[in-house]
Amino acid sequence: DGGITQSPKYLFRKEGQNVTLSCEQNLNHDAMYWYRQDPGQGLRLIYYSQIVNDFQKGDIAEGYSVSREKKESFPLTVTSAQKNPTAFYLCASSSGDSRDYGYTFGSGTRLTVV
Amino acid sequence: QQQVKQSPQSLIVQKGGISIINCAYENTAFDYFPWYQQFPGKGPALLIAIRPDVSEKKEGRFTISFNKSAKQFSLHIMDSQPGDSATYFCAASGRFSGSARQLTFGSGTQLTVLP
Repeated sequence: DGGITQSPKYLFRKEGQNVTLSCEQNLNHDAMYWYRQDPGQGLRLIYYSQIVNDFQKGDIAEGYSVSREKKESFPLTVTSAQKNPTAFYLCASSSGDSRDYGYTFGSGTRLTVV
Repeated sequence: QQQVKQSPQSLIVQKGGISIINCAYENTAFDYFPWYQQFPGKGPALLIAIRPDVSEKKEGRFTISFNKSAKQFSLHIMDSQPGDSATYFCAASGRFSGSARQLTFGSGTQLTVLP
């Protein structure tokens, strides 16, 4: 079945540590996105990539970094510069096909600072 | 101008009732309007979507009503069930000069359907 796989489901980070969240898709989608969701809040865009080897900052990119070396993969690194990283992180992808501009989301990674 | 405003923030409905969530936008370049449903601890899933060339789209108990002149669209859930309790996000997609097409999300509505 085609879809987006995010791992791990739960992640704990110590103060000052960098952590990387994985996002893999087998939908052959060109575009991929990372969102942050805080409790009871909406979706805030961190980074997005429309094509391999290219990505753009979203609304809250500070303290995060990404790479897009393969079409299928768009990992997100939460760096020590992100002072309040505890949140639910969602990865999404889209084909950009005119028949369907919607996104497919992964099941999320819950990151907690300990 | 690329914002999508969603209301209410939370909604409580009795089982069997109608749930209505509203969204409004300003920019007429938006041309695709999906709704997403998110259960706790899960990613949002596409529920239903509409394009501005139609005023209504129905899929089962879920209906999108679209008012192009008012720049508003709404989700109606008929015969609401406790299993519909979730957070609902409206969104809009358009092609804006100098940027790639992407979705702009509303702030979300937490729906609770009482048994």
